[in-house]
Amino acid sequence: DTEVTQTPKHLVMGMTNKKSLKCEQHMGHRAMYWYKQKAKKPPELMFVYSYEKLSINESVPSRFSPECPNSSLLNLHLHALQPEDSALYLCASSQSPEHAYEQYFGPGTRLTVT
Amino acid sequence: AQSVSQHNHHVILSEAASLELGCNYSYGGTVNLFWYVQYPGQHLQLLLKYFSGDPLVKGIKGFEAEFIKSKFSFNLRKPSVQWSDTAEYFCALKGGGADGLTFGKGTHLIIQP
Repeated sequence: DTEVTQTPKHLVMGMTNKKSLKCEQHMGHRAMYWYKQKAKKPPELMFVYSYEKLSINESVPSRFSPECPNSSLLNLHLHALQPEDSALYLCASSQSPEHAYEQYFGPGTRLTVT
Repeated sequence: AQSVSQHNHHVILSEAASLELGCNYSYGGTVNLFWYVQYPGQHLQLLLKYFSGDPLVKGIKGFEAEFIKSKFSFNLRKPSVQWSDTAEYFCALKGGGADGLTFGKGTHLIIQP
């Protein structure tokens, strides 16, 4: 199984809602990543988890809260988002942090904030 | 700081034409370089990667890229494109340390039948 899955595929939420994005992989990978991709822009790194611990936070606003409950799962909790947060949110994983050069990407969750 | 620049944001070619997409990077240390492709409605897929050794790397679907250290470049090439190559192409860099990838802005490639 070389797949990274993400749910939901699409999400529409209001600015006062609380929602979560989920990412799962069963490749035994120990590093997981969240990227944000705006339309016609490249993916931008948000967070890196190494061995289930947050290792990198690229100055992401606190309305985005990542969580790694176990080595297979990665969540992104959303609260009080702004319309400009609308984007495709990509999850990726790699065998280990040292193998960050080989990342497997999920299909993404397309988020719309109204 | 590390960065990746892709010179062409939009490229339109006819089928069977040759392709070269430019990529330059800025980083002071040892780099790993990648080309990713994103077909319409699909997720990012790795085309090819360079770590070390032979600077000419071959990837999937007939693509290749050449790492020229003196020029800080990693251009993507394909001798004869097909309509199915229509996609967004991203050059990416990983510098030292356990961190994520830095992507270029992407090149939107359209192949006309």
